[in-house]
Amino acid sequence: EAGVAQSPRYKIIEKRQSVAFWCNPISGHATLYWYQQILGQGPKLLIQFQNNGVVDDSQLPKDRFSAERLKGVDSTLKIQPAKLEDSAVYLCASSLDGGYTEAFFGQGTRLTVV
Amino acid sequence: GQQLNQSPQSMFIQEGEDVSMNCTSSSIFNTWLWYKQDPGEGPVLLIALYKAGELTSNGRLTAQFGITRKDSFLNISASIPSDVGIYFCAGKSGTASKLTFGTGTRLQVTL
Repeated sequence: EAGVAQSPRYKIIEKRQSVAFWCNPISGHATLYWYQQILGQGPKLLIQFQNNGVVDDSQLPKDRFSAERLKGVDSTLKIQPAKLEDSAVYLCASSLDGGYTEAFFGQGTRLTVV
Repeated sequence: GQQLNQSPQSMFIQEGEDVSMNCTSSSIFNTWLWYKQDPGEGPVLLIALYKAGELTSNGRLTAQFGITRKDSFLNISASIPSDVGIYFCAGKSGTASKLTFGTGTRLQVTL
């Protein structure tokens, strides 16, 4: 079974530029999560989708971050404009459903804002 | 956002030793998950726990769901060099299904 795919693996941008990350979840998984992991910390949930609907985006900085999951499969996370403090690893995860089943993670995208 | 507290923050042990780490929360969870993260990789699921008091093993790893539902424990027996990494606990509540992560325990194994 293929795992969660993310791209790109690495991205370096200047502050105030925009950037987008892509995630393809495990086939058949209804729930998709985007997490931000700052160096030395645990992952922090940014947004959770159930199919193509948003379940939780309470910690998403909506003035600069946006995410969508068209057709309930792939998802993109965008930052516009980026700030230095956005430097982190952005992890995508998926689970069969949002209830009690386990979440499986992709390798992440390491973003460096200079 | 809320994070779970893990202890110890880091551990340095010798190969062959047993390891214990725990995770505590101010909130009740209905699911506890334990993940391991290697440098440059995403977290990999090790063990999932669904019932208070549950004790589950996966090879040399054993995890327990605390009776109070506010804590969980992970033990690694006879550690080997490939056990090196950061171990995260994560909890989910039944209604929100939001997965909240702990602060992590960094494990170093020396030969």
